[in-house]
Amino acid sequence: AQSVSQHNHHVILSEAASLELGCNYSYGGTVNLFWYVQYPGQHLQLLLKYFSGDPLVKGIKGFEAEFIKSKFSFNLRKPSVQWSDTAEYFCAVNGEGNMLTFGGGTRLMVKP
Amino acid sequence: DAGVIQSPRHEVTEMGQEVTLRCKPISGHDYLFWYRQTMMRGLELLIYFNNNVPIDDSGMPEDRFSAKMPNASFSTLKIQPSEPRDSAVYFCARSFPRGGGGMNTEAFFGQGTRLTVV
Repeated sequence: AQSVSQHNHHVILSEAASLELGCNYSYGGTVNLFWYVQYPGQHLQLLLKYFSGDPLVKGIKGFEAEFIKSKFSFNLRKPSVQWSDTAEYFCAVNGEGNMLTFGGGTRLMVKP
Repeated sequence: DAGVIQSPRHEVTEMGQEVTLRCKPISGHDYLFWYRQTMMRGLELLIYFNNNVPIDDSGMPEDRFSAKMPNASFSTLKIQPSEPRDSAVYFCARSFPRGGGGMNTEAFFGQGTRLTVV
């Protein structure tokens, strides 16, 4: 069975700091990978996605993620966070049978 | 949210009552997912369908939970009887096959139903 692990449950940063959120998955077959963001009281919205090709993918709002197949990782990065990035971030894998599994989420707080 | 409509947005019910949550995705050869989100357990996949057929319901917590998809544009998640520990936000999401036989697109989420069982 596939699973997703996000290492950081809570992250607190100051504005302009760099961000990296870890994500590892377990599934030996072909995968599609996603990062979603959930602002307080809202539903999940797609930040970026990896299907194939260039393992470095760029998403909205200056976010990017790198797929490292050998490490089963898909870490999310942003060079300079803003207060408006305060939200919860979810990594997800689409693998076996098109089942979409999410990690436990990382709550990011950006201090102004 | 790419055409996923959930109702109601909020539901408050008493313990022991039956609760039915509804999801209306745009019809087609879609996959439909039901998730439950709580502070303690995060986002859990309860069940998902492909072309109205349940594919995996191993995430359904107990027999009190049941889900149906009678047609391509409607799905329900029912809890009978409800308990306070069922309080959560329940999301419905859809994805669909990409062209060329590849894996599915990203999932598009509804706004969720916030369920409170008192």
